[in-house]
Amino acid sequence: DVKVTQSSRYLVKRTGEKVFLECVQDMDHENMFWYRQDPGLGLRLIYFSYDVKMKEKGDIPEGYSVSREKKERFSLILESASTNQTSMYLCASSRTFGPYEQYFGPGTRLTVT
Amino acid sequence: AQSVTQPDIHITVSEGASLELRCNYSYGATPYLFWYVQSPGQGLQLLLKYFSGDTLVQGIKGFEAEFKRSQSSFNLRKPSVHWSDAAEYFCAVGGTSGTYKYIFGTGTRLKVLA
Repeated sequence: DVKVTQSSRYLVKRTGEKVFLECVQDMDHENMFWYRQDPGLGLRLIYFSYDVKMKEKGDIPEGYSVSREKKERFSLILESASTNQTSMYLCASSRTFGPYEQYFGPGTRLTVT
Repeated sequence: AQSVTQPDIHITVSEGASLELRCNYSYGATPYLFWYVQSPGQGLQLLLKYFSGDTLVQGIKGFEAEFKRSQSSFNLRKPSVHWSDAAEYFCAVGGTSGTYKYIFGTGTRLKVLA
């Protein structure tokens, strides 16, 4: 079974802190994604990566950056956390583009106070 | 513009009743279509997918969905709902036209009455 794990299920940070969310997949998938999930807004793509060290902005990249130094690991970085970044963050992976579904991690619920 | 619409934000059904969750999409080419389920506090799990071929696809947990090109729809159905089906359901399109992006609907939250 494909497994996507996220470093924390719940995280509480203060405004202005630098926050790291980590995601690891064990199926050698080329693509990895970071989404933000808010009630009534569905999933919104922050960034995705299609290869090591390669990344592309999604729909809402402002205030976020990412890092992919190894194929299995994709990190989301909040350079200076703000209260409007309080949300559920979901990581996903998939094989290279085409008719392949995404596999999701359990999510990290981040609260910024 | 590409989009996915799930017109029902909340749906309540009685246990044992049939279920249909609606999904309409706008996409330039024939899309790849997905339904995911999210239990409270969890990530998304794939229920089923449509890529090509038979327009009626079967998924896990007794769910099925039908692709109707003329209506740009991909509705999810289950003949008899169980209490454990209470969750949020997301329709998604993507993976075509040289893009890595998947577009998700805003979700439908299902409540099941005992």
